Amino acid sequence: QKEVEQDPGPLSVPEGAIVSLNCTYSNSAFQYFMWYRQYSRKGPELLMYTYSSGNKEDGRFTAQVDKSSKYISLFIRDSQPSDSATYLCAMSFSGTYKYIFGTGTRLKVLA
Amino acid sequence: DSGVTQTPKHLITATGQRVTLRCSPRSGDLSVYWYQQSLDQGLQFLIQYYNGEERAKGNILERFSAQQFPDLHSELNLSSLELGDSALYFCASSVAGSSGNTIYFGEGSWLTVV
Repeated sequence: QKEVEQDPGPLSVPEGAIVSLNCTYSNSAFQYFMWYRQYSRKGPELLMYTYSSGNKEDGRFTAQVDKSSKYISLFIRDSQPSDSATYLCAMSFSGTYKYIFGTGTRLKVLA
Repeated sequence: DSGVTQTPKHLITATGQRVTLRCSPRSGDLSVYWYQQSLDQGLQFLIQYYNGEERAKGNILERFSAQQFPDLHSELNLSSLELGDSALYFCASSVAGSSGNTIYFGEGSWLTVV
């Protein structure tokens, strides 16, 4: 079983839709959770960073962490064609210097 | 622009050859990470350096090696290249070496082995 599981998609939605992207994980020690956006053949760009459980909002993006369920989500409101990219979740915990990445979910927002 | 600089952006080389990928971290960042991303694969952690010293090792092949220099730039050396080594190689950096810090990625070096 992989430490971090992420549906690869592709996920296609119409412009303006609310998008929900998710990752599940197996290691309850994870404390730090990140979401990255990666355009084709570009470097991953940090979108959201959260520590422990709870919600964090930044503009159209909301990150949720549910440690009891070992489940994290990224919501994108009013999705735009420019949001079309691969979204990677990543997580880590104290005492290690490794960040574990999901395989990414490919999102297509249709105009 | 993340502030992490990688060179070269693209390179094509033959099997059995050796290449060196270079990374300059963001100003002030002491930690450098190397990742490999193959087609349809996630980011695979290779190795991490902190202030010149190796801090963590991931799925790095013995044919690959890396180092971080006193000016904090890093190089990833790939030798005896095989077709399967074709991938995007990313460098990332963070302020410190601890897991609470976010890491920022460069644009990657696209390696094609023919």
